[in-house]
Amino acid sequence: DTGVSQNPRHKITKRGQNVTFRCDPISEHNRLYWYRQTLGQGPEFLTYFQNEAQLEKSRLLSDRFSAERPKGSFSTLEIQRTEQGDSAMYLCASSGGVTVAKNIQYFGAGTRLSVL
Amino acid sequence: DQQVKQNSPSLSVQEGRISILNCDYTNSMFDYFLWYKKYPAEGPTFLISISSIKDKNEDGRFTVFLNKSAKHLSLHIVPSQPGDSAVYFCAARRGSDRGSTLGRLYFGRGTQLTVWP
Repeated sequence: DTGVSQNPRHKITKRGQNVTFRCDPISEHNRLYWYRQTLGQGPEFLTYFQNEAQLEKSRLLSDRFSAERPKGSFSTLEIQRTEQGDSAMYLCASSGGVTVAKNIQYFGAGTRLSVL
Repeated sequence: DQQVKQNSPSLSVQEGRISILNCDYTNSMFDYFLWYKKYPAEGPTFLISISSIKDKNEDGRFTVFLNKSAKHLSLHIVPSQPGDSAVYFCAARRGSDRGSTLGRLYFGRGTQLTVWP
């Protein structure tokens, strides 16, 4: 499977716990994005990497959230001291290449987080 | 502030007929637009896109039209099939802004399309 891979698919945690999600992008893609989606909404941008550099962060990304892409390949998104409002689907996308396809972001299946 | 708006939360169409999904945007800096389809428990799947220098792009049964003066785009599906039943998201990307030309997408809230036999 050469698509975007996200793990775990589901995560249930108690309020106050820390959680970490992983995203493996399409192998030749140098750009990686994190989005969050809640019920009835479209995906909302969280942050964006080009290779290992974090180029943009949304105001949604509070100081409890941190994302890394240490070697420009996979990425992790950590949420510290989770709150019930963090319950959402967390989506990862990647893009890359030099043709017109570089404009297209391809999404993984997401990690659904439930904070009890 | 919702910069991409899909004002119809749902659309129901008979199989074989045309489905037209609409999207409006407010930011004149948007230069690239995409449509995604999403099934439950899956991530969004790319369908078709259009650059702001064009007014139409076609791919099989899917055609996207862009009206820049009206800040409006639409997705036409002809003929509609039951397998097209899904949530459709319109997304837009902002053009050259601090060099970040390949950055974040702004999404609408989606339209649930139901195609019935």
